[in-house]
Amino acid sequence: AQTVTQSQPEMSVQEAETVTLSCTYDTSESDYYLFWYKQPPSRQMILVIRQEAYKQQNATENRFSVNFQKAAKSFSLKISDSQLGDAAMYFCAYVNTGNQFYFGTGTSLTVIP
Amino acid sequence: DVKVTQSSRYLVKRTGEKVFLECVQDMDHENMFWYRQDPGLGLRLIYFSYDVKMKEKGDIPEGYSVSREKKERFSLILESASTNQTSMYLCASSFYRYEQYFGPGTRLTVT
Repeated sequence: AQTVTQSQPEMSVQEAETVTLSCTYDTSESDYYLFWYKQPPSRQMILVIRQEAYKQQNATENRFSVNFQKAAKSFSLKISDSQLGDAAMYFCAYVNTGNQFYFGTGTSLTVIP
Repeated sequence: DVKVTQSSRYLVKRTGEKVFLECVQDMDHENMFWYRQDPGLGLRLIYFSYDVKMKEKGDIPEGYSVSREKKERFSLILESASTNQTSMYLCASSFYRYEQYFGPGTRLTVT
């Protein structure tokens, strides 16, 4: 069975600093996608970044980057130059060849001014 | 701009009522999903649909049913609402395994 684990229920970061959110997953498949989603308070869930398992290069989107370690089944999100608007709940997600998505329990990120 | 809409942001219903939650997407996506979001539990899949009139049970289908008569619309039905179904309900759609697009959510309270 596929599972996604986020072991940090809460994290905090000083504005302008860097923070890393952790995610591990369990799967026997070799072909899958991984995602980080952001859910600001009382707002819609949006995609932050996507990583295809067949790609060795880590995905980056502006201040957001991932450290994808396929053998270790680890997929962490690094946020550089943290901004107040980055405060949100962050969810790690996995999708398999059956188009079924699995989500972690989320990490609540606080940005301290 | 892609859009997933849900019929209500907030809903209050009484125990035993039949509840309909509607979701519409304008992206011609094959896949649509209903999740339940509770603090500390993340998103749990209730049902998903990969085509019109097709559906698959997720992790927590008990007490729920779904309907997909048209590609753009996916409805979640609580046959007889109970207090333990008080939650945030999120609808999403996707094109195959590419990213999901989410609706704003419906916060349902059952009293």
